[in-house]
Amino acid sequence: GAVVSQHPSWVICKSGTSVKIECRSLDFQATTMFWYRQFPKQSLMLMATSNEGSKATYEQGVEKDKFLINHASLTLSTLTVTSAHPEDSSFYICSARDVRTGTGLGYTFGSGTRLTVV
Amino acid sequence: GENVEQHPSTLSVQEGDSAVIKCTYSDSASNYFPWYKQELGKRPQLIIDIRSNVGEKKDQRIAVTLNKTAKHFSLHITETQPEDSAVYFCAASNSGGSNYKLTFGKGTLLTVNP
Repeated sequence: GAVVSQHPSWVICKSGTSVKIECRSLDFQATTMFWYRQFPKQSLMLMATSNEGSKATYEQGVEKDKFLINHASLTLSTLTVTSAHPEDSSFYICSARDVRTGTGLGYTFGSGTRLTVV
Repeated sequence: GENVEQHPSTLSVQEGDSAVIKCTYSDSASNYFPWYKQELGKRPQLIIDIRSNVGEKKDQRIAVTLNKTAKHFSLHITETQPEDSAVYFCAASNSGGSNYKLTFGKGTLLTVNP
């Protein structure tokens, strides 16, 4: 089945630094990538949607200059948290689909990245 | 946009009993309703899904029902086992809409007591 690989699985960074999270679709082409953030004991909140080769569409309240998304190829999307602060500490998780073929109708999720900003 | 409400937020059952989790959605254009199981620190795992042209779907001990008129759908787990303990999320999507994005419910923490 469809597999999405996400790295790193966890990262600790200092306040003010930037962190890049990668998601790769291993056996299908991800035309669309969704990025979520999940705080402890809460639901998944969609941050942004990106289509390959296009600018990401951000949800209301999500700062596009702080959460940079790049979806330059059909198998790789990255989320960069710039100038991270402790309040950015969260579980970040991606989800991919190939909307042309319907692959990933179940929205294949990456394994998530636990970000801790100290 | 879509709004998904999920109840209850916590559910505790005895092993062997049934568990039912209910969700309502607001957007009549939504036509795809997946359910996910998430264990602590892990990715959500799709356990069952249903499209709007079907009223019920079953997979072994898990079933989902959909009432389009009332805009609600439910997850039914029978003969619960301790390994069913996890957080369960419902979600809704308009698979024909732009970007096909999923809107999640707030989750239900299911505890199955041995």
